[in-house]
Amino acid sequence: GAVVSQHPSWVICKSGTSVKIECRSLDFQATTMFWYRQFPKQSLMLMATSNEGSKATYEQGVEKDKFLINHASLTLSTLTVTSAHPEDSSFYICSARDETDTQYFGPGTRLTVL
Amino acid sequence: DQQVKQNSPSLSVQEGRISILNCDYTNSMFDYFLWYKKYPAEGPTFLISISSIKDKNEDGRFTVFLNKSAKHLSLHIVPSQPGDSAVYFCAASNPVKIIFGKGTRLHILP
Repeated sequence: GAVVSQHPSWVICKSGTSVKIECRSLDFQATTMFWYRQFPKQSLMLMATSNEGSKATYEQGVEKDKFLINHASLTLSTLTVTSAHPEDSSFYICSARDETDTQYFGPGTRLTVL
Repeated sequence: DQQVKQNSPSLSVQEGRISILNCDYTNSMFDYFLWYKKYPAEGPTFLISISSIKDKNEDGRFTVFLNKSAKHLSLHIVPSQPGDSAVYFCAASNPVKIIFGKGTRLHILP
């Protein structure tokens, strides 16, 4: 089946620094990728929809200047958390949609901001 | 306002019996429905899906039923196995968005 990878799987950073998370579709091309954040005991929260070659569409309440998304190719999307703060600590998950409209999720990246 | 609801936060089922997880949605514009399984500290993994043009899809031990008039879908797992213990997310989607329910934690009892 289709595989989506994320890198890094976990990261610890100091407050004020920026962190980049990569999401790759390994064996299929994904014109659309999604970025989610999971809060404890809650469902995944969609942050933004990333379309290859165009600007990401952000969900209401998500700061686009803080969470920079780039979808430079059909197999790679990146999420950069700029000037990270402890409240940004969370589990970030990406997904990629293939030509059959099936979504495949990455394994997630756990971000801890000290 | 929750567009996708999983009203049972947890469910316990005896090993070997049938597990039935339920999900309700409110928006009739959803045309594709998915179930994901999630272990702690891991990303959700896709389990099974169903298009709105169907009312049933089966894959091994997993069957998803869709009742469009009731805006309800369910996931049946039979027979239930210990490895099925996890959180199951229901999701509803259209071409531009996917909305998840809050999940149901399934415990398979020995």
